[in-house]
Amino acid sequence: DAKTTQPNSMESNEEEPVHLPCNHSTISGTDYIHWYRQLPSQGPEYVIHGLTSNVNNRMASLAIAEDRKSSTLILHRATLRDAAVYYCILRASNDYKLSFGAGTTVTVRA
Amino acid sequence: DGGITQSPKYLFRKEGQNVTLSCEQNLNHDAMYWYRQDPGQGLRLIYYSQIVNDFQKGDIAEGYSVSREKKESFPLTVTSAQKNPTAFYLCASSSGSRVASPLHFGNGTRLTVT
Repeated sequence: DAKTTQPNSMESNEEEPVHLPCNHSTISGTDYIHWYRQLPSQGPEYVIHGLTSNVNNRMASLAIAEDRKSSTLILHRATLRDAAVYYCILRASNDYKLSFGAGTTVTVRA
Repeated sequence: DGGITQSPKYLFRKEGQNVTLSCEQNLNHDAMYWYRQDPGQGLRLIYYSQIVNDFQKGDIAEGYSVSREKKESFPLTVTSAQKNPTAFYLCASSSGSRVASPLHFGNGTRLTVT
């Protein structure tokens, strides 16, 4: 299984951007990069996903390196509600087994 | 609203008892999943089902059993054989027809076994 590496924690100030890195050096050509976040005592929530091109949605942006060995989730203006654990995971073609590591715990200071 | 419903939110059991956790979805998703989460850790896959009447073991299936008799339901039984059953259990579903389809999670059941 392809694996991802994320920092354990990151801090940000409210209304500032947050850049969350993810390394996936063993990614295969058909692996999609997914991001989820989990608020305390809740289930994870889908944030965004991509394959090769950068992606934007109402929640965040996903920047994917040209070699696809790393990606960055960008929260453009952090709010207190963005404080959560963020997971970067890979989903292979025809594979329903999705593994979640420990993720990055994001703290937002008011 | 479509979504995943897990019940109950909190569950307490005595050691040696089997317990069944409920998971229902009305998203018309083919695939369903069960994950276990321990404090401060990520999610570990217990079982998954791609389609009705079929399911596969995940990474930590020992001591657990599932059934998938209906598309919308995927109950998980934690048996007395599970050595450390106290944990946060999460159910998820996805549209099985597209591999990039995201997972939708319920809000979990916190099981405490004493």
